Amino acid sequence: GESVGLHLPTLSVQEGDNSIINCAYSNSASDYFIWYKQESGKGPQFIIDIRSNMDKRQGQRVTVLLNKTVKHLSLQIAATQPGDSAVYFCADSEDSGYALNFGKGTSLLVTP
Amino acid sequence: DGGITQSPKYLFRKEGQNVTLSCEQNLNHDAMYWYRQDPGQGLRLIYYSQIVNDFQKGDIAEGYSVSREKKESFPLTVTSAQKNPTAFYLCATSPQFRNSPLHFGNGTRLTVT
Repeated sequence: GESVGLHLPTLSVQEGDNSIINCAYSNSASDYFIWYKQESGKGPQFIIDIRSNMDKRQGQRVTVLLNKTVKHLSLQIAATQPGDSAVYFCADSEDSGYALNFGKGTSLLVTP
Repeated sequence: DGGITQSPKYLFRKEGQNVTLSCEQNLNHDAMYWYRQDPGQGLRLIYYSQIVNDFQKGDIAEGYSVSREKKESFPLTVTSAQKNPTAFYLCATSPQFRNSPLHFGNGTRLTVT
């Protein structure tokens, strides 16, 4: 099947900087996209989602951008904090599909 | 997520033994899922259930079995037929089956030796 993947496996940023985590998806029928944060030894936590009829959505300190033309999804974290250090997963699904399809994750490390 | 309880957090078994992982939810969500996570990997879907008394195979169902006799519970049995059972198992729920966020438990780490 088609898969969701990530451009970079690790990302290191300084505290206070903005972070951008990228994700490429291959299923042109995908219409729902979601970002999760996973801390070590815990289950993934929902961050933000976006539907295919939108190209941008903002949350608290986070923004998700969707470019359907190039099948690209990104998560922007403003003023990155040490507590943001975690693995971030993107996932997608299509209305005719049965569940979320997860990428392999990007590890974000925030240094002081 | 406080609404989803996976137990135990760590589980050790000998090869050849079946083992059942518990997942209980009090979120009143209809849909429940089991995912498997291996180091440095994404989540892979094992089984899912859209409603009580119904469940479907995911991408890697071989060697696993489930039941959904109650809305609150979706136990996963890892059988001796699963060739590589050592992994981190995550249970999730969602209020509707499609296009809604999954809520995850904190997982059970299974080690089979």
